[in-house]
Amino acid sequence: AQSVAQPEDQVNVAEGNPLTVKCTYSVSGNPYLFWYVQYPNRGLQFLLKYITGDNLVKGSYGFEAEFNKSQTSFHLKKPSALVSDSALYFCAVRDTSGTYKYIFGTGTRLKVLA
Amino acid sequence: NAGVTQTPKFQVLKTGQSMTLQCAQDMNHNSMYWYRQDPGMGLRLIYYSASEGTTDKGEVPNGYNVSRLNKREFSLRLESAAPSQTSVYFCASNTLQGRNTEAFFGQGTRLTVV
Repeated sequence: AQSVAQPEDQVNVAEGNPLTVKCTYSVSGNPYLFWYVQYPNRGLQFLLKYITGDNLVKGSYGFEAEFNKSQTSFHLKKPSALVSDSALYFCAVRDTSGTYKYIFGTGTRLKVLA
Repeated sequence: NAGVTQTPKFQVLKTGQSMTLQCAQDMNHNSMYWYRQDPGMGLRLIYYSASEGTTDKGEVPNGYNVSRLNKREFSLRLESAAPSQTSVYFCASNTLQGRNTEAFFGQGTRLTVV
């Protein structure tokens, strides 16, 4: 079965420090991977995606993600965290069996401490 | 540019009552989705519609029905609400059936069943 795992329920980081939010995936075939962010009482906002090409993908608000095929990972990174980055982050993979569904991880809450 | 619009934003139902959650998108998207979000569970797919005129079950369809009224609108109906359906419901859409496109989300409907 295709799946996405986010092993950390919460990540705490000091403002100005680099941050990493982890994601691993399991799909058959080539993966199409996405990161979304959710602020309180809001819907999900698209951050970035990996389709093919460079393993380092750049997205909105200074975020980037590193695709690693051998480790089946797609970790979200930012060189310098801001307090305003505090939110819930979801990793997702597009189903490859022809249904085009999005399969989401359980989410990681990021807290950036001033 | 409204994007994906969900109504209502909040709703309290008594056990056994019925209601319909409305979703409309103005981006001429083909595919539409209904997810529910529960703490620690991430987003789980209830139903989706790959294109106008088609609907399919997702991961947790029991207790729900959907209607793809036209290309713009995709409604979710709870025929007899149960406390286990207390959740935040998100509608999403995307442009093509290709796997490389991201989904756009509505702001969510917070439903409480008492």
